Amino acid sequence: EVQLVESGGGLVQPGGSLRLSCAASGFTFSNHWMSWVRQAPGKGLEWVANIRGDGNEEYYVESLKGRFTISRDNAKTSLYLQMNSLRAEDTAVYFCARWGYYNSNYFFDYWGQGTLVTVSS
Amino acid sequence: QTVVTQEPSFSVSPGGTITLTCGLSSGSVSTNSHPSWYQQTPGQAPRTLIYSTNIRSSGVPDRFSGSILGNKAALTITGAQADDESDYYCILYIGSGIWLFGGGTKLTVL
Repeated sequence: EVQLVESGGGLVQPGGSLRLSCAASGFTFSNHWMSWVRQAPGKGLEWVANIRGDGNEEYYVESLKGRFTISRDNAKTSLYLQMNSLRAEDTAVYFCARWGYYNSNYFFDYWGQGTLVTVSS
Repeated sequence: QTVVTQEPSFSVSPGGTITLTCGLSSGSVSTNSHPSWYQQTPGQAPRTLIYSTNIRSSGVPDRFSGSILGNKAALTITGAQADDESDYYCILYIGSGIWLFGGGTKLTVL
């Protein structure tokens, strides 16, 4: 059974840093692109970043480039999101998601339950 | 700056049919946009409904269907039920490794 379990969320002061983790199990982790998606309170979903299965290709939403870094450890089957210079507007639930692939199309096929990050003094 | 557009809200009667759309502020949606649809209820993770334009995810009732209508991706619910009341999101591939979600549609069944 595919499982994605996020951790590392919490309360952090503006300007601070936080590292989120996503523990993956039930599938060959290195075979899949992975992603972080966030959702601010009462708002919609926002794609944050993608990372290729071997970790050698990354993409980010333009607004977060330079502050957030996605990474992975395939030996530990874990995905990470390093978040620096945090702002109040980064307050959100952060979801880890797996990319599936079918008929030349990519899509999210599994989601974690999310971890809440609150940026506040 | 490209924006993915969705209707902010929609209302449907039980048993009714409704079509939600997912468009691009500049350009047309095609299968190359990798359109997929997700359902989310408050406090829950999203659930995958439709991928590759029109393929239902495992366990999704056949009252949900996906298509391309004109220059947009579309999600149609035929015979809406009370528990279809949720938020619905689409995501599209914009290019150069970038993906964008639409703003979501809040569906009310009443």
